[in-house]
Amino acid sequence: KAGVTQTPRYLIKTRGQQVTLSCSPISGHRSVSWYQQTPGQGLQFLFEYFSETQRNKGNFPGRFSGRQFSNSRSEMNVSTLELGDSALYLCASSSGTASYEQYFGPGTRLTVT
Amino acid sequence: QKEVEQNSGPLSVPEGAIASLNCTYSDRGSQSFFWYRQYSGKSPELIMSIYSNGDKEDGRFTAQLNKASQYVSLLIRDSQPSDSATYLCAVALYNQGGKLIFGQGTELSVKP
Repeated sequence: KAGVTQTPRYLIKTRGQQVTLSCSPISGHRSVSWYQQTPGQGLQFLFEYFSETQRNKGNFPGRFSGRQFSNSRSEMNVSTLELGDSALYLCASSSGTASYEQYFGPGTRLTVT
Repeated sequence: QKEVEQNSGPLSVPEGAIASLNCTYSDRGSQSFFWYRQYSGKSPELIMSIYSNGDKEDGRFTAQLNKASQYVSLLIRDSQPSDSATYLCAVALYNQGGKLIFGQGTELSVKP
């Protein structure tokens, strides 16, 4: 079974720009969660989508948004980038029910200059 | 109080020893508990899941859960240099649709 894929793997943007990241979950999984990881803050939960609906949301500003498509693929968008948005963005795939085990993709390394 | 707490380390053990990693959580409604391993520059990898009180063994790894005391631990027997990584404890909040809350991670270094 193929794992979680994320594109792009690396991205360099300038302040004020916007960016869209993509995540394809494990086949059959209906839940996709997004996390931001930085050395100082660790893994912080952004949001979770389940069957095209946002089911959970973390404490991030409205510049961070996401969506999920009918094939469970998910996108995350960050508008008006700030230097502090530089981080590793991880998506995790889960069945969304029962055990809640999550499997991570390789991540997208975003650098904002 | 943080929802999930871990000793940040680094924890250093000699090769062949037992490494013990601990995690405490605050939400008594938590039902699912996970240990992830993250190598430097890589994404977290799920290595153990535990759902009921007691021990769960998988190869050299043993997860221990005590819901009354609200702690979960991971033991790594016969530690190898390849076990050197950051270990993340995660707790699923069932009252929030299974949302995972992660601890800050414990860095483990296994010295040859």
